[in-house]
Amino acid sequence: AQSVTQPDIHITVSEGASLELRCNYSYGATPYLFWYVQSPGQGLQLLLKYFSGDTLVQGIKGFEAEFKRSQSSFNLRKPSVHWSDAAEYFCAVGPQSYNKLIFGAGTRLAVHP
Amino acid sequence: GAGVSQSPRYKVTKRGQDVTLRCDPISSHATLYWYQQALGQGPEFLTYFNYEAQPDKSGLPSDRFSAERPEGSISTLTIQRTEQRDSAMYRCASSFRDRVSTNEKLFFGSGTQLSVL
Repeated sequence: AQSVTQPDIHITVSEGASLELRCNYSYGATPYLFWYVQSPGQGLQLLLKYFSGDTLVQGIKGFEAEFKRSQSSFNLRKPSVHWSDAAEYFCAVGPQSYNKLIFGAGTRLAVHP
Repeated sequence: GAGVSQSPRYKVTKRGQDVTLRCDPISSHATLYWYQQALGQGPEFLTYFNYEAQPDKSGLPSDRFSAERPEGSISTLTIQRTEQRDSAMYRCASSFRDRVSTNEKLFFGSGTQLSVL
């Protein structure tokens, strides 16, 4: 079955601390992988995506993610979190053909001052 | 338009009523998607359009759900005989074309929050 698992429902970090959000997927074909961020009252915004090539991808707002095929993981990282990063983060997987994405349940990030 | 616009922002209805949600995608975008997001969950694919064609509607939960995009621009999602389990955020998204690539992305609207009482 195709699925995305985000093991952490809530994470709280201090401002300036590093961050890693976990994502594991199960997908039959070669997946395209995505991270989206959702702020209150806003639509989902794409942070980064992995299609092929270099397994470490850089995104907007200083985020990066690493694709590890052997672990079926695509974890999101940021070296130093800012208060404005507080939001909900969704990992997603999809086919190469069109944006029929399978999303995880999301991780809600809180940032302490 | 500048972004994906959805209306209404909130919709409260009584069980058994029909509702229609509207999505106005970015004007140059060929593809349009509908996703349903239940509370505490990630979005789930409902259907998508490539211009006015609807190649995939496999995610529609039942025949009470239907979507249209008759002129390849604005789309509507209609839920007939609403049930309480239909309560969710309905999100529309659009992209320039129907081929996922490194050079494009999906733009989401702010959604319509539907509450069925």
